[in-house]
Amino acid sequence: ETGVTQSPTHLIKTRGQQVTLRCSSQSGHNTVSWYQQALGQGPQFIFQYYREEENGRGNFPPRFSGLQFPNYSSELNVNALELDDSALYLCASSLGGGRTDTQYFGPGTRLTVL
Amino acid sequence: GDSVTQMEGPVTLSEEAFLTINCTYTATGYPSLFWYVQYPGEGLQLLLKATKADDKGSNKGFEATYRKETTSFHLEKGSVQVSDSAVYFCAPNQGGKLIFGQGTELSVKP
Repeated sequence: ETGVTQSPTHLIKTRGQQVTLRCSSQSGHNTVSWYQQALGQGPQFIFQYYREEENGRGNFPPRFSGLQFPNYSSELNVNALELDDSALYLCASSLGGGRTDTQYFGPGTRLTVL
Repeated sequence: GDSVTQMEGPVTLSEEAFLTINCTYTATGYPSLFWYVQYPGEGLQLLLKATKADDKGSNKGFEATYRKETTSFHLEKGSVQVSDSAVYFCAPNQGGKLIFGQGTELSVKP
């Protein structure tokens, strides 16, 4: 059974650019959640997708957007990058979007904005 | 809003010492509770979970009990190993959203 995978591993962008991060969910999982983890901090919830629909959003501006595809893989898009967007972006998949569903995390994408 | 408070690190212990990492939370609903562990340069790994009051989660010698009356979910291990050195996160799951604290760094010396 393949776990959660993310690509790319590392990415360097400049301020104002746009970036797309990708996540493949674990086999059988229909829900993907995205988190931002700044250096030395705990992850912060960005949003969740359940069966291709957004199913909750954290306190992030609209320039953070996402998609989920029919195979339940997902993309996180960030427009107009700012220096503070530099962080580890974590994707997690789960069997559902409820409070008891365990979220399994990928290794993350390290984004550096210069 | 919902939040988590963990004991501040770093926590430094000798091998075979007893570990407690305190975690308390505030939540408007009835969350499930999780502990995750993060090794350097890696993503988060599930350590254990509890979904209702008085449930005890356990894994790899670690334990935590869901205490609804004190809104706590303290992590314990009877005898730590050097390989347990990592950052530990307590995280309530409120409606599908995990709420993380700042994490507690554990360093175990031989």
